[in-house]
Formats: sequence, C-alpha cells, structure tokens
Amino acid sequence: DAGVTQSPTHLIKTRGQQVTLRCSPKSGHDTVSWYQQALGQGPQFIFQYYEEEERQRGNFPDRFSGHQFPNYSSELNVNALLLGDSALYLCASSWGTGDLNEQYFGPGTRLTVT
Amino acid sequence: DQQVKQNSPSLSVQEGRISILNCDYTNSMFDYFLWYKKYPAEGPTFLISISSIKDKNEDGRFTVFLNKSAKHLSLHIVPSQPGDSAVYFCAATQGGSEKLVFGKGTKLTVNP
Repeated sequence: DAGVTQSPTHLIKTRGQQVTLRCSPKSGHDTVSWYQQALGQGPQFIFQYYEEEERQRGNFPDRFSGHQFPNYSSELNVNALLLGDSALYLCASSWGTGDLNEQYFGPGTRLTVT
Repeated sequence: DQQVKQNSPSLSVQEGRISILNCDYTNSMFDYFLWYKKYPAEGPTFLISISSIKDKNEDGRFTVFLNKSAKHLSLHIVPSQPGDSAVYFCAATQGGSEKLVFGKGTKLTVNP
C-alpha cells in the first residue's frame, strides 16, 4: 500500500515564476492538506482540500492556490514566486472523518527560489 | 506570533536513559495535541497524541503529559534508543480541525 507520494522531489525556480507541486494521497484517503516548512521552522498550514473544494485555509496570500481532482490527488500552485517561498512543501492526507491521529505526511517537495 | 513553542532546538541523551521533550502553547482554545517524529528526507510521522480532557497518555515507550494550567506538554521516551534520533515536532489544534499548528521542532540525538 503506497503512502502519500509527492512530486517532484526537488525543484529550482526563479523569482517571478510559477510552480505546481503534486500530491497523491494514501490509498483510501479523500482529504489533502498542504504545509510549508521553511528552514529551521515547523510546518505551517496552507490549506486543505476535501471533495474538490478548499475547506480550510491558513494565513497565506492568494498567490498560493490549489486544486483537488476526482481521484483525490491534489496540486499546489504558487504564482509570482518570491525568495521567501523557498521551503519544503509537505502534503498530508486523511480520511474525511477527521481522525487527527490518521493524518499521513508525504516526504515533501523541496522548492528553491533563486 | 508563535502559538506553539519548542524552546530547545536540540537534546542529546545516552541510550537507555530518559528523553524529555518540552512544548509550550499560548492559545487556550487548543484542545488536542500531537507529537510527530521526522527523519531526514521523510515526512513527519504521527507518534502520540493527547486530548485536553486528559493529563497523560501512554503508548509503549512514549508518554505525553499535559499541564493545562501551565499550557505545557512534554514527551517522555523511556528507554531511549539510537533509532529515536530524529526531529520531534509538537502540534496543536482545536475543535477537531485538521489545521495543525506546529512548533519549530527539537532535534533528539540518542548516543549509543
């Protein structure tokens, strides 16, 4: 049983560009959350998708947007990249019942903005 | 404004001894707390949790204590093993929300 998978593993972009990160949830899961982990910091909640809609959102600007597909996979899009967007982006999946102990994280995508 | 604080960036202990990782929070609305362990190049892995209606939860070698009046929780690992070496994150949430608020983490090193 595959866990949460994310692609790509690493990515280098230039300021002002746009980036798309992808996440496939653990089998049987229907909810996807995205987190940003800057160097030396803990993960920060960006948003959560359930039934193809954004259900919750953290304190991130509109440059951060997402999408969830009918197969429950998800994308995180960041427009007009800033140097400060350099971070590890983590995806977590869970089943819609919201059992917090059953939220699984992927290995992350390391984004570097130059 | 950091709502969840882990004030010790690192901790080193000898194998077989107790590891105590601490976490403080400021938001009194938090009612559920979790600890995650993270190895390099892997995502955080759920370790143990505690509800605000309890003051202790135990799972094998791992015990979490919650002191609501002090807004403080701690994770005890007994006995510590070299495989426990990782970064440990404390996280909190409220009202059953999956929006977790994380601390900065504490890097635990268990020396053989």
